[in-house]
Amino acid sequence: GIQVEQSPPDLILQEGANSTLRCNFSDSVNNLQWFHQNPWGQLINLFYIPSGTKQNGRLSATTVATERYSLLYISSSQTTDSGVYFCAVPHGGSQGNLIFGKGTKLSVKP
Amino acid sequence: DGGITQSPKYLFRKEGQNVTLSCEQNLNHDAMYWYRQDPGQGLRLIYYSQIVNDFQKGDIAEGYSVSREKKESFPLTVTSAQKNPTAFYLCASSIQLQETQYFGPGTRLLVL
Repeated sequence: GIQVEQSPPDLILQEGANSTLRCNFSDSVNNLQWFHQNPWGQLINLFYIPSGTKQNGRLSATTVATERYSLLYISSSQTTDSGVYFCAVPHGGSQGNLIFGKGTKLSVKP
Repeated sequence: DGGITQSPKYLFRKEGQNVTLSCEQNLNHDAMYWYRQDPGQGLRLIYYSQIVNDFQKGDIAEGYSVSREKKESFPLTVTSAQKNPTAFYLCASSIQLQETQYFGPGTRLLVL
């Protein structure tokens, strides 16, 4: 089945710094989603981005489907950005099945 | 407010006991999903439902069962056949399959 790898696994930033998180996937996909899980476990959908670039405030994402990767950019990081960031892609053989990466754990220090 | 609710927040299961986790949504979404998350891991799909009275197994369906009798409700039963049920369980919904998924706050299940 399709493999999803995220890097780095852990990231520590000082407040105000910028960062780039990467998601590689092993097969062609028709959509990709980025999620943020806060320290209490709640997952929030950040982007639905099968290709191209989208921006939402300090966050933006780019997916290059032909090269099988996606990037999540966080600018001017804040302590509230802390948590785990997941990317997920659909399982090729099952319409309803999203395959999640293991996530990037981000800690933003004041 | 529109959203997804899960209850209870914490659940304790005794050996050999079946327990049911509740998931309700008022977003008028057709598709609903159940995921399991183990510490330090990503999410794995247990079951999903595209529409009322229809559901499909995900990657780790053994030891779990679901029903979808109403559009807004998708309860998950953890049966005694699930030998390692301790985990964080998350319910999600989307307008249709492969659309943006929205998650509930989760239920933490612990075995006594």
